[in-house]
Amino acid sequence: DTGVSQDPRHKITKRGQNVTFRCDPISEHNRLYWYRQTLGQGPEFLTYFQNEAQLEKSRLLSDRFSAERPKGSFSTLEIQRTEQGDSAMYLCASSVTIFYEQFFGPGTRLTVL
Amino acid sequence: AQKITQTQPGMFVQEKEAVTLDCTYDTSDPSYGLFWYKQPSSGEMIFLIYQGSYDQQNATEGRYSLNFQKARKSANLVISASQLGDSAMYFCAMREGGGAQKLVFGQGTRLTINP
Repeated sequence: DTGVSQDPRHKITKRGQNVTFRCDPISEHNRLYWYRQTLGQGPEFLTYFQNEAQLEKSRLLSDRFSAERPKGSFSTLEIQRTEQGDSAMYLCASSVTIFYEQFFGPGTRLTVL
Repeated sequence: AQKITQTQPGMFVQEKEAVTLDCTYDTSDPSYGLFWYKQPSSGEMIFLIYQGSYDQQNATEGRYSLNFQKARKSANLVISASQLGDSAMYFCAMREGGGAQKLVFGQGTRLTINP
Protein backbone atom coordinates (compact mmCIF):
# COMPACT_ATOMS: atom_id res chain seq x y z
CA ASP A 1 0.00 0.00 0.00
CA THR A 2 1.48 3.31 -1.04
CA GLY A 3 0.62 6.59 0.56
CA VAL A 4 0.12 9.97 -1.04
CA SER A 5 2.99 10.84 -3.36
CA GLN A 6 4.05 14.22 -4.68
CA ASP A 7 6.42 15.20 -7.43
CA PRO A 8 8.79 16.94 -7.48
CA ARG A 9 9.92 17.06 -3.86
CA HIS A 10 11.87 20.25 -4.44
CA LYS A 11 11.58 22.95 -7.09
CA ILE A 12 13.73 26.02 -7.51
CA THR A 13 12.56 28.52 -10.09
CA LYS A 14 13.11 32.11 -11.09
CA ARG A 15 10.49 34.75 -10.54
CA GLY A 16 8.07 34.92 -13.43
CA GLN A 17 8.38 31.28 -14.44
CA ASN A 18 5.50 28.79 -14.37
CA VAL A 19 5.67 25.66 -12.24
CA THR A 20 3.48 22.56 -12.01
CA PHE A 21 3.27 20.08 -9.18
CA ARG A 22 1.70 16.64 -9.21
CA CYS A 23 -0.09 14.73 -6.46
CA ASP A 24 -1.08 11.06 -6.55
CA PRO A 25 -3.55 10.27 -3.76
CA ILE A 26 -4.15 6.94 -2.08
CA SER A 27 -5.95 4.90 -4.73
CA GLU A 28 -9.36 4.46 -3.13
CA HIS A 29 -9.57 8.04 -1.85
CA ASN A 30 -11.98 10.21 -3.79
CA ARG A 31 -11.23 13.44 -1.93
CA LEU A 32 -8.07 15.38 -2.60
CA TYR A 33 -6.83 18.57 -0.95
CA TRP A 34 -4.05 21.08 -1.52
CA TYR A 35 -2.52 23.11 1.30
CA ARG A 36 0.32 25.60 1.46
CA GLN A 37 2.68 25.87 4.41
CA THR A 38 5.08 28.74 4.92
CA LEU A 39 7.98 28.65 7.35
CA GLY A 40 6.89 28.57 10.97
CA GLN A 41 3.19 28.31 10.17
CA GLY A 42 0.61 25.60 10.01
CA PRO A 43 -0.72 24.47 6.62
CA GLU A 44 -3.35 26.68 4.98
CA PHE A 45 -6.10 25.28 2.79
CA LEU A 46 -5.96 26.06 -0.91
CA THR A 47 -8.50 23.86 -2.69
CA TYR A 48 -10.44 20.61 -2.58
CA PHE A 49 -11.63 18.04 -5.10
CA GLN A 50 -14.25 15.37 -4.82
CA ASN A 51 -13.47 13.01 -7.67
CA GLU A 52 -12.80 15.33 -10.63
CA ALA A 53 -14.92 18.21 -9.36
CA GLN A 54 -13.20 21.16 -7.71
CA LEU A 55 -15.69 22.03 -4.98
CA GLU A 56 -13.95 24.64 -2.86
CA LYS A 57 -11.21 27.21 -3.38
CA SER A 58 -9.59 29.45 -0.82
CA ARG A 59 -9.13 33.17 -1.35
CA LEU A 60 -5.43 32.34 -1.15
CA LEU A 61 -5.77 30.74 -4.58
CA SER A 62 -5.23 33.79 -6.76
CA ASP A 63 -5.86 33.73 -10.50
CA ARG A 64 -2.22 32.72 -10.99
CA PHE A 65 -3.00 29.38 -9.38
CA SER A 66 -4.94 26.61 -11.06
CA ALA A 67 -5.59 23.06 -9.96
CA GLU A 68 -7.01 20.14 -11.86
CA ARG A 69 -7.93 16.55 -11.26
CA PRO A 70 -8.92 15.46 -14.73
CA LYS A 71 -9.87 11.83 -14.19
CA GLY A 72 -10.52 11.88 -10.49
CA SER A 73 -7.16 10.31 -9.76
CA PHE A 74 -3.97 12.41 -9.72
CA SER A 75 -4.07 16.19 -9.41
CA THR A 76 -1.87 19.00 -10.64
CA LEU A 77 -1.32 22.44 -9.15
CA GLU A 78 0.08 25.07 -11.49
CA ILE A 79 1.42 28.45 -10.49
CA GLN A 80 1.87 30.95 -13.29
CA ARG A 81 4.25 33.93 -13.17
CA THR A 82 5.71 32.85 -9.84
CA GLU A 83 6.51 35.47 -7.22
CA GLN A 84 8.90 35.27 -4.28
CA GLY A 85 5.90 35.16 -1.96
CA ASP A 86 4.93 31.83 -3.50
CA SER A 87 7.94 30.18 -1.85
CA ALA A 88 6.45 27.58 0.48
CA MET A 89 5.82 23.89 0.99
CA TYR A 90 2.84 22.69 -1.04
CA LEU A 91 1.13 19.76 0.60
CA CYS A 92 -1.37 17.38 -0.93
CA ALA A 93 -3.72 15.23 1.13
CA SER A 94 -6.43 12.69 0.41
CA SER A 95 -9.26 11.09 2.33
CA VAL A 96 -11.92 8.50 1.73
CA THR A 97 -14.77 10.54 3.21
CA ILE A 98 -15.07 13.82 5.07
CA PHE A 99 -15.46 11.97 8.32
CA TYR A 100 -12.00 10.48 8.30
CA GLU A 101 -8.53 11.83 8.59
CA GLN A 102 -6.69 13.37 5.69
CA PHE A 103 -3.48 11.59 4.74
CA PHE A 104 -0.73 13.91 3.61
CA GLY A 105 2.03 13.49 1.09
CA PRO A 106 5.65 14.53 1.65
CA GLY A 107 5.10 17.92 0.05
CA THR A 108 6.79 19.91 -2.70
CA ARG A 109 9.09 22.64 -1.46
CA LEU A 110 9.07 25.59 -3.86
CA THR A 111 11.76 28.24 -3.80
CA VAL A 112 11.29 31.27 -6.03
CA LEU A 113 14.48 33.26 -6.60
CA ALA B 1 -10.15 35.45 14.50
CA GLN B 2 -7.88 32.54 15.26
CA LYS B 3 -9.86 29.34 15.12
CA ILE B 4 -7.09 27.15 16.49
CA THR B 5 -4.66 28.43 19.10
CA GLN B 6 -1.53 26.64 20.19
CA THR B 7 0.12 28.78 22.84
CA GLN B 8 3.34 26.78 23.27
CA PRO B 9 5.84 27.57 20.50
CA GLY B 10 8.30 25.09 21.98
CA MET B 11 8.37 22.36 24.62
CA PHE B 12 11.36 20.51 26.07
CA VAL B 13 10.78 17.20 27.83
CA GLN B 14 12.95 14.46 29.24
CA GLU B 15 12.70 11.07 27.57
CA LYS B 16 10.10 8.76 29.15
CA GLU B 17 8.18 11.64 30.69
CA ALA B 18 4.59 12.44 29.70
CA VAL B 19 3.93 15.69 27.85
CA THR B 20 0.78 17.71 27.21
CA LEU B 21 0.50 19.94 24.16
CA ASP B 22 -2.19 22.60 24.43
CA CYS B 23 -4.84 23.42 21.84
CA THR B 24 -7.88 25.64 22.12
CA TYR B 25 -10.39 26.17 19.36
CA ASP B 26 -13.17 28.53 18.45
CA THR B 27 -16.32 27.56 16.60
CA SER B 28 -20.05 28.12 16.84
CA ASP B 29 -20.80 24.96 14.86
CA PRO B 30 -22.08 22.14 17.10
CA SER B 31 -20.59 19.55 14.73
CA TYR B 32 -16.83 19.57 14.29
CA GLY B 33 -13.79 17.35 14.39
CA LEU B 34 -10.44 17.90 16.01
CA PHE B 35 -7.20 16.38 14.75
CA TRP B 36 -3.58 16.22 15.81
CA TYR B 37 -0.78 15.81 13.30
CA LYS B 38 2.95 15.32 13.76
CA GLN B 39 5.41 16.87 11.31
CA PRO B 40 8.99 15.59 11.59
CA SER B 41 11.85 17.46 9.96
CA SER B 42 11.23 15.47 6.76
CA GLY B 43 8.08 17.55 6.28
CA GLU B 44 5.35 14.93 5.99
CA MET B 45 2.25 15.44 8.13
CA ILE B 46 1.47 12.29 10.08
CA PHE B 47 -2.05 11.81 11.48
CA LEU B 48 -2.07 10.97 15.18
CA ILE B 49 -5.55 11.16 16.65
CA TYR B 50 -9.11 12.37 16.01
CA GLN B 51 -11.92 13.57 18.31
CA GLY B 52 -15.44 14.25 17.13
CA SER B 53 -17.51 16.90 18.88
CA TYR B 54 -20.21 14.38 19.75
CA ASP B 55 -17.85 11.70 21.00
CA GLN B 56 -18.56 10.92 24.62
CA GLN B 57 -15.15 9.57 25.45
CA ASN B 58 -11.70 11.02 24.95
CA ALA B 59 -9.88 9.52 21.98
CA THR B 60 -6.84 7.32 22.53
CA GLU B 61 -4.34 5.84 20.07
CA GLY B 62 -1.48 3.96 21.65
CA ARG B 63 0.69 6.46 23.54
CA TYR B 64 -1.47 9.36 22.33
CA SER B 65 -4.62 10.55 24.05
CA LEU B 66 -6.72 13.61 23.53
CA ASN B 67 -7.95 15.49 26.59
CA PHE B 68 -11.20 16.90 25.19
CA GLN B 69 -12.89 19.56 27.35
CA LYS B 70 -15.80 20.75 25.27
CA ALA B 71 -17.01 23.51 27.59
CA ARG B 72 -13.54 25.02 27.67
CA LYS B 73 -13.06 24.42 23.94
CA SER B 74 -9.77 22.68 24.49
CA ALA B 75 -8.32 19.56 22.89
CA ASN B 76 -4.95 18.92 24.41
CA LEU B 77 -2.72 16.11 23.16
CA VAL B 78 -1.10 13.93 25.79
CA ILE B 79 1.88 11.80 24.86
CA SER B 80 2.79 9.22 27.47
CA ALA B 81 6.29 7.80 27.92
CA SER B 82 7.90 10.15 25.41
CA GLN B 83 10.58 8.83 23.06
CA LEU B 84 13.39 10.55 21.19
CA GLY B 85 11.49 9.93 17.96
CA ASP B 86 8.64 12.09 19.24
CA SER B 87 10.74 15.19 18.59
CA ALA B 88 8.83 17.08 15.88
CA MET B 89 6.33 19.85 15.20
CA TYR B 90 2.82 19.06 16.37
CA PHE B 91 -0.24 20.69 14.84
CA CYS B 92 -3.78 20.82 16.12
CA ALA B 93 -6.45 21.16 13.43
CA MET B 94 -10.23 21.48 13.21
CA ARG B 95 -12.79 20.60 10.58
CA GLU B 96 -16.12 22.31 11.04
CA GLY B 97 -19.40 20.68 10.14
CA GLY B 98 -21.92 21.68 7.51
CA GLY B 99 -20.06 19.92 4.75
CA ALA B 100 -16.86 21.88 5.24
CA GLN B 101 -13.92 19.94 3.93
CA LYS B 102 -10.88 21.92 4.87
CA LEU B 103 -8.77 21.54 7.96
CA VAL B 104 -7.82 24.70 9.81
CA PHE B 105 -4.47 24.36 11.54
CA GLY B 106 -2.88 26.06 14.50
CA GLN B 107 0.65 27.43 14.37
CA GLY B 108 2.14 24.34 15.93
CA THR B 109 4.31 23.40 18.89
CA ARG B 110 7.88 22.23 18.46
CA LEU B 111 8.49 19.34 20.85
CA THR B 112 12.03 18.35 21.73
CA ILE B 113 12.69 15.18 23.69
CA ASN B 114 15.96 15.21 25.59
CA PRO B 115 17.80 11.95 26.37
